[in-house]
Amino acid sequence: GAGVSQSPRYKVAKRGQDVALRCDPISGHVSLFWYQQALGQGPEFLTYFQNEAQLDKSGLPSDRFFAERPEGSVSTLKIQRTQQEDSAVYLCASSFGRSTEAFFGQGTRLTVV
Amino acid sequence: AQSVTQLDSHVSVSEGTPVLLRCNYSSSYSPSLFWYVQHPNKGLQLLLKYTSAATLVKGINGFEAEFKKSETSFHLTKPSAHMSDAAEYFCVVIYTGTASKLTFGTGTRLQVTL
Repeated sequence: GAGVSQSPRYKVAKRGQDVALRCDPISGHVSLFWYQQALGQGPEFLTYFQNEAQLDKSGLPSDRFFAERPEGSVSTLKIQRTQQEDSAVYLCASSFGRSTEAFFGQGTRLTVV
Repeated sequence: AQSVTQLDSHVSVSEGTPVLLRCNYSSSYSPSLFWYVQHPNKGLQLLLKYTSAATLVKGINGFEAEFKKSETSFHLTKPSAHMSDAAEYFCVVIYTGTASKLTFGTGTRLQVTL
């Protein structure tokens, strides 16, 4: 597809369950970002990849959060032992490189019950 | 700390009247600035971007923004609001040296009434 694709669109997880969120960036985009958007808030940075290298993971809220992009294209955000405070929309974005516009996917809405 | 501030959490205008959404950024580094719009249950869409070229930037759907270094502002305007403009608007900044990390403002919800 032409845009950033995220799956699933919606995920309901029981507290303590592990989840994996997938992002397919635009083909050829070097940079990939994950953001967390809580209800009524702006997106908050989680982590950044340049190709397969995770250059910045300063926004990951705890060691339960893990992201990878092993081949420099598709990325997965994994959350272990989910907690209610993890409920949010997780947004993925990709761009050609530095200071260029980022294209966002529609997000995955995670609800932890 | 590098940040971006949206001065209004909610703005309400009548259809056909001008729109002004305010944004200020911290001036530590030369920024790239963007405005994104988010319609309910839809992804973030880029409206316009400033990357040190012309200070008046025109975007999609009749929106424009002016970069004012002296005021560290990047306010979004539109001469005449349309009902379809009702959405959440985010001012976003990339600071030099931050590995392209986008920093979002807290957002401004625009309401357009008849």
